[in-house]
Amino acid sequence: AQKVTQAQTEISVVEKEDVTLDCVYETRDTTYYLFWYKQPPSGELVFLIRRNSFDEQNEISGRYSWNFQKSTSSFNFTITASQVVDSAVYFCALSEAYNQGGKLIFGQGTELSVKP
Amino acid sequence: GAGVSQSPRYKVAKRGQDVALRCDPISGHVSLFWYQQALGQGPEFLTYFQNEAQLDKSGLPSDRFFAERPEGSVSTLKIQRTQQEDSAVYLCASSPRTGLAKNIQYFGAGTRLSVL
Repeated sequence: AQKVTQAQTEISVVEKEDVTLDCVYETRDTTYYLFWYKQPPSGELVFLIRRNSFDEQNEISGRYSWNFQKSTSSFNFTITASQVVDSAVYFCALSEAYNQGGKLIFGQGTELSVKP
Repeated sequence: GAGVSQSPRYKVAKRGQDVALRCDPISGHVSLFWYQQALGQGPEFLTYFQNEAQLDKSGLPSDRFFAERPEGSVSTLKIQRTQQEDSAVYLCASSPRTGLAKNIQYFGAGTRLSVL
């Protein structure tokens, strides 16, 4: 069965600190996608990144970076030099590549609060 | 439109009332998904359409929930005889089936349903 676990329910940091959000997943498939979404107070889920199971290269986009490790079934997300605008709930999600349409299985989310 | 549009943004219903929630996906997106998000939880899959065909409705919690997409564009999620446990945010997402953004789901802002 597919499952995504985000063990950190809430994280609070002070602006400019680095913060890592953890994500651990379970799937029996060898081909799958992993995602991170951001949900600000407005409620809309904003797509951040998609990785496929064959690509274990880490990725950096500005202050954001992602560490995908298949050996530990983890896909962690790091924000460097956090800013107040980063405050939101962050969701990690999994979809199996060949299922119908690629429905997403979400974790419970991590609420990040960045204080000035 | 530029993004996924959902209406209404907020809906208050009396227990037993029927409600209809509308989703207008990104133009040209073949796939459309509905998710239910309870307070403090991650979104949970309800149903999936490819064009007008409903290919997966395994997440619909009961036969009171019904979704349609008759012309392969706008979709409506209908809940009959609403109950308090139906109170949640209902999120709609669409995705293309081809191109670089294939299988990336783009979400609307959601409809917050409160059943009194």
